[in-house]
Amino acid sequence: GAGVSQTPSNKVTEKGKYVELRCDPISGHTALYWYRQSLGQGPEFLIYFQGTGAADDSGLPNDRFFAVRPEGSVSTLKIQRTERGDSAVYLCASSPVGTGNEQFFGPGTRLTVL
Amino acid sequence: GQQVMQIPQYQHVQEGEDFTTYCNSSTTLSNIQWYKQRPGGHPVFLIQLVKSGEVKKQKRLTFQFGEAKKNSSLHITATQTTDVGTYFCAGKGGATNKLIFGTGTLLAVQP
Repeated sequence: GAGVSQTPSNKVTEKGKYVELRCDPISGHTALYWYRQSLGQGPEFLIYFQGTGAADDSGLPNDRFFAVRPEGSVSTLKIQRTERGDSAVYLCASSPVGTGNEQFFGPGTRLTVL
Repeated sequence: GQQVMQIPQYQHVQEGEDFTTYCNSSTTLSNIQWYKQRPGGHPVFLIQLVKSGEVKKQKRLTFQFGEAKKNSSLHITATQTTDVGTYFCAGKGGATNKLIFGTGTLLAVQP
């Protein structure tokens, strides 16, 4: 089957704009994670969904960041009033059950805020 | 908050030499995972360790979980050019369900 997919692969936006990043997890995976990775650093946890609900959103940096997973499959990460510091690769991962299991990562969306 | 550090940040070896990266957590972990990220790629799961003192092997790779479950190591014997990439440990703490990634070790292998 297909792996985790993310769209778009690249997104360039201007400071202050709104962006949406999409993640399609592996079919049947109930857990979905969003991470942010800056150059030369490890993935930084943002939020974790178990099914439709956000089980842990403690990694979201501020209220400009929001994520949804309305039907327990596809997830969208939404960033309002983007800032230059939001520039990074946004990674999505899914796993069959919950945390403590292997996570399958997507290719990421490279976000550049000018 | 929980922090996971890795050393070294960067290692350059000749093909055939051994390589080790060390991972240290500020808090006790319930389990630890290792991932490899090739340049320009995304993290790919290698292994998970759960038990105190656990040692697991995958061909030339040996993974260890410390007795206190606060540190871990990855050792590669006789490196090959295909081993190039950044190796991350990622720990799950007892009080949180989230996975905290380490700072990573970038391995360069010269043929």
